Amino acid sequence: DGGITQSPKYLFRKEGQNVTLSCEQNLNHDAMYWYRQDPGQGLRLIYYSQIVNDFQKGDIAEGYSVSREKKESFPLTVTSAQKNPTAFYLCASKTSRKSGQPQHFGDGTRLSIL
Amino acid sequence: GESVGLHLPTLSVQEGDNSIINCAYSNSASDYFIWYKQESGKGPQFIIDIRSNMDKRQGQRVTVLLNKTVKHLSLQIAATQPGDSAVYFCAENTGANSKLTFGKGITLSVRP
Repeated sequence: DGGITQSPKYLFRKEGQNVTLSCEQNLNHDAMYWYRQDPGQGLRLIYYSQIVNDFQKGDIAEGYSVSREKKESFPLTVTSAQKNPTAFYLCASKTSRKSGQPQHFGDGTRLSIL
Repeated sequence: GESVGLHLPTLSVQEGDNSIINCAYSNSASDYFIWYKQESGKGPQFIIDIRSNMDKRQGQRVTVLLNKTVKHLSLQIAATQPGDSAVYFCAENTGANSKLTFGKGITLSVRP
């Protein structure tokens, strides 16, 4: 089945540790996105990529980094500089950068602090 | 795990009734709008979308209405079922690069 796969489903981070969240899609989508969701909040954009080897900061990029070396993969690293990393992280993709197309989401990774 | 629905406004409806979920959007230049449904522990699921050159769009059991004059979007669900219980988000497409801005969400609770 085509879709977006996020792994792991649950992740724990120790103080001073960087962790990487995986996002893979087999939909042949050009654009990919990372969002953070906190309880009772909407989704906030961390980073997005409209094409391979290119990405832009979203609204809350500080303490995060990404790469887009392959079309199907857009991993997110939560660095030790992110002081409040506990959240539900969602990856999304869509066909292209053009307007008028919905983003499709994976089932998220829940990150917690040990 | 924690529910994304914590602290959100809640709409409670009787099974079989119609539901209307409302959303006020912020940018008069937004040209595309989407409704998503999110169940606990899962990612948002696309329900229906509408472009700004339309006022109404219908899907299976769902209708989206767009009022650009007052920047208001609504989602109507006909014959609401227990499986419709979830958090619902509206999203607007703003500016270049097709970034979406999401509302905070509304929890729909269906009473049997």
